[in-house]
Amino acid sequence: QVTLRESDPALVKPTQTLTLTCTFSGFSLSTREMCVSWIRQPPGKALEWLALIDWDGDKYYSTSLRTRLTISKDTSKNQVVLTMTNMDPVDTATYYCARGSRDGYNFWFDPWGQGTRVTVSS
Amino acid sequence: SFELTQPPSVSVSPGQTASITCSGDKLGNTYASWYQQKPGQSPVLVIYRDSKRPSGIPERFSGSNSGNTATLTISGTQAMDEADYYCQAWDIIVVFGGGTKLTVL
Repeated sequence: QVTLRESDPALVKPTQTLTLTCTFSGFSLSTREMCVSWIRQPPGKALEWLALIDWDGDKYYSTSLRTRLTISKDTSKNQVVLTMTNMDPVDTATYYCARGSRDGYNFWFDPWGQGTRVTVSS
Repeated sequence: SFELTQPPSVSVSPGQTASITCSGDKLGNTYASWYQQKPGQSPVLVIYRDSKRPSGIPERFSGSNSGNTATLTISGTQAMDEADYYCQAWDIIVVFGGGTKLTVL
């Protein structure tokens, strides 16, 4: 059974750096064609893709957020970490991690974690 | 930049067929996936590679993708299918559509 779990909810102040950890089980990120992605959803709004790291360490980032994001993996711990710098109240959202599968440059995500609420406020 | 456009809302009567579209430039040249999200829950993959259903997804869910439009079709729509639906594709980055709220009246 594949499961993913995001780190606990966070309250961060504007300009601070957010660090989120995704801990997963039931698959290995060293397996070919596997990847893990981060996606967020502001309250009442649509899904927004953030970043992805795949089995051989390739990283992909949202065009609009790439200067603020860093994604990394610890295969031995089955964890993927996302950092986002210079947080702003508009970054308030539920942040999800999800397992990804790929076929060439096509990706799909299943399953997703339960999500973790991040609030940015002074 | 690559964008995926969905209608904000679609309504359907129980037992009827619901179609949700997703439009993007040359979308048919890549694979589309679809996710269902019910209130307070995480998204669930219902279609990948345009038309494939993951294990556990009912047969009433189907998908197609050609030209500039991908379509999610729900045949014999049930009340439990009322949810938000998001399309997703790849164009040098992952892109999600803006979501469609499906109402089963």
